[in-house]
Amino acid sequence: RKEVEQDPGPFNVPEGATVAFNCTYSNSASQSFFWYRQDCRKEPKLLMSVYSSGNEDGRFTAQLNRASQYISLLIRDSKLSDSATYLCVVNRPGAGSYQLTFGKGTKLSVIP
Amino acid sequence: NAGVTQTPKFQVLKTGQSMTLQCAQDMNHNSMYWYRQDPGMGLRLIYYSASEGTTDKGEVPNGYNVSRLNKREFSLRLESAAPSQTSVYFCASSGGSGNWDVLKKAFFGQGTRLTVV
Repeated sequence: RKEVEQDPGPFNVPEGATVAFNCTYSNSASQSFFWYRQDCRKEPKLLMSVYSSGNEDGRFTAQLNRASQYISLLIRDSKLSDSATYLCVVNRPGAGSYQLTFGKGTKLSVIP
Repeated sequence: NAGVTQTPKFQVLKTGQSMTLQCAQDMNHNSMYWYRQDPGMGLRLIYYSASEGTTDKGEVPNGYNVSRLNKREFSLRLESAAPSQTSVYFCASSGGSGNWDVLKKAFFGQGTRLTVV
């Protein structure tokens, strides 16, 4: 089982739609969780952290279920500018440090 | 505040040539990373450095060497480039001072697009 797994998509949704991305991770020692966004041919950028209690940032809601080792990202009222690849990222203890492990990403295309 | 700076942005090498990718961060981060990204493969960790003076292998270290020159700089060297090393390389850093959440976030350079022919 891969450390971090995501549905690769692509997700093609109309403007204004709600879309949800799922992610599972295999290492129960993982401690921090993030969603990153990557635009075509650009570097990944942090979208939001994911907290156990769930957290919201405008149209974006992230949730974490530690028991199921499952992370989700919900985007409401999709905009054309939301079109990107969304990367699920897990941070776990490594050898004297914390290693970031990335999912392969889920591609989202928001259509006019 | 430049964040994470990578050089060069683009490079074409012939098989067997060597080169060094440079990375520098000005955020006083402890940890630095090198990733490669290939279509359909996602980001894969090549090497990382938890702190100045330490380096460790990641998922795909073969064919690469790294040097953590000081706290700011972390370089990636290809001793004898192969076509399989054609990829986009990203440097990242994390682990500055601050609360737990701040500590673990990673910031990326703009990437180096390397083609080996």
